[in-house]
Amino acid sequence: GQSLEQPSEVTAVEGAIVQINCTYQTSGFYGLSWYQQHDGGAPTFLSYNALDGLEETGRFSSFLSRSDSYGYLLLQELQMKDSASYFCAVGTGDKLIFGTGTRLQVFP
Amino acid sequence: GAGVSQTPSNKVTEKGKYVELRCDPISGHTALYWYRQSLGQGPEFLIYFQGTGAADDSGLPNDRFFAVRPEGSVSTLKIQRTERGDSAVYLCASSLNAGGRNEQFFGPGTRLTVL
Repeated sequence: GQSLEQPSEVTAVEGAIVQINCTYQTSGFYGLSWYQQHDGGAPTFLSYNALDGLEETGRFSSFLSRSDSYGYLLLQELQMKDSASYFCAVGTGDKLIFGTGTRLQVFP
Repeated sequence: GAGVSQTPSNKVTEKGKYVELRCDPISGHTALYWYRQSLGQGPEFLIYFQGTGAADDSGLPNDRFFAVRPEGSVSTLKIQRTERGDSAVYLCASSLNAGGRNEQFFGPGTRLTVL
């Protein structure tokens, strides 16, 4: 079967850096994606890692270690608008399996 | 351009009734996915289409759930004999192709409430 684990909640202040971890157990793994979802909104794609290492996209970076079945999303220079839920998702076959999500609250 | 659209945005029904939820993917996207999301949870995979055919329906919870995509564009998720446990937000997503690093674009969802 598949399982993904993320912390349920993280809090931080504006301007800070926060790391959201994701560990997974799955068969047929081909990559790890991250999605952001604001309350009442649709999930939106943030990043994707197929190979080990760091992918950087502006203020957001994502890391993957396939040997450790582990990844993280790093958010820098936090802004209030970053308050949202963040989901890691494992690509297996041609579909995504999502984690339960991490709710990030950014305080002024 | 237009994103993924879903109708209705909200649907309230009574236990035992039949419902249809519609998804209009981004034009040209061959892959279409249905998910179900309960409060405080991540999207739960239900089924995905590559073109007109259901390539993987392993996430459908039981035979009350069925989905079609007859012309390879619009898809309809059908739920028969609805139960209170079916209450959730049903999300549709599309991507240019299935698998790999293909980003999925999500619609706003249909909030289904079964009374």
